[in-house]
Amino acid sequence: DAGVTQSPTHLIKTRGQHVTLRCSPISGHKSVSWYQQVLGQGPQFIFQYYEKEERGRGNFPDRFSARQFPNYSSELNVNALLLGDSALYLCASSLGAGADDTQYFGPGTRLTVL
Amino acid sequence: AQTVTQSQPEMSVQEAETVTLSCTYDTSENNYYLFWYKQPPSRQMILVIRQEAYKQQNATENRFSVNFQKAAKSFSLKISDSQLGDTAMYFCAFRDGGATNKLIFGTGTLLAVQP
Repeated sequence: DAGVTQSPTHLIKTRGQHVTLRCSPISGHKSVSWYQQVLGQGPQFIFQYYEKEERGRGNFPDRFSARQFPNYSSELNVNALLLGDSALYLCASSLGAGADDTQYFGPGTRLTVL
Repeated sequence: AQTVTQSQPEMSVQEAETVTLSCTYDTSENNYYLFWYKQPPSRQMILVIRQEAYKQQNATENRFSVNFQKAAKSFSLKISDSQLGDTAMYFCAFRDGGATNKLIFGTGTLLAVQP
């Protein structure tokens, strides 16, 4: 079975641009979470979606938004990119959104903002 | 707010030896979950082991085991018979028992297994 997949693998943008990152969860998983991992740090929670509804949001500005589609895949959008948005963006999927549901991570999208 | 602290930025161990990675956390919750994730160089993060706070028995997965001390809010990872493939960044993570599946990560420990 395929694991969590993310696209693109790498991305280079300039300040002020917009970016869309995509994630496909493990088959059968209905929840997707997004994390930002800045170099040298642990991942920081951005969003969680379950059954197409937002279930949680981290401490990120409104420039960050996300959505989940009927097939449970998800997009993360970032507007007005800043240099500080350069990071590895991780998607994690889980069967449900409960505390007992283990999250499985994708390989990430490496975003570089110039 | 919950926090997770990993006080060892880097560690090194000889192949076949045993190493222990430290993690402490702070929470006022009684129901929560703790995890160790492994992130090899340029590869994706994978779950190593998980521990439910309501379980007194320490979790074990093959060569990996934890020492969970709830009162001390400590959650260390022991790797026995270290292998070269264990070289990776190890993250300790916390999740409370609430409605959000949010993981709170520590800053990680870079483990190098030497031949």
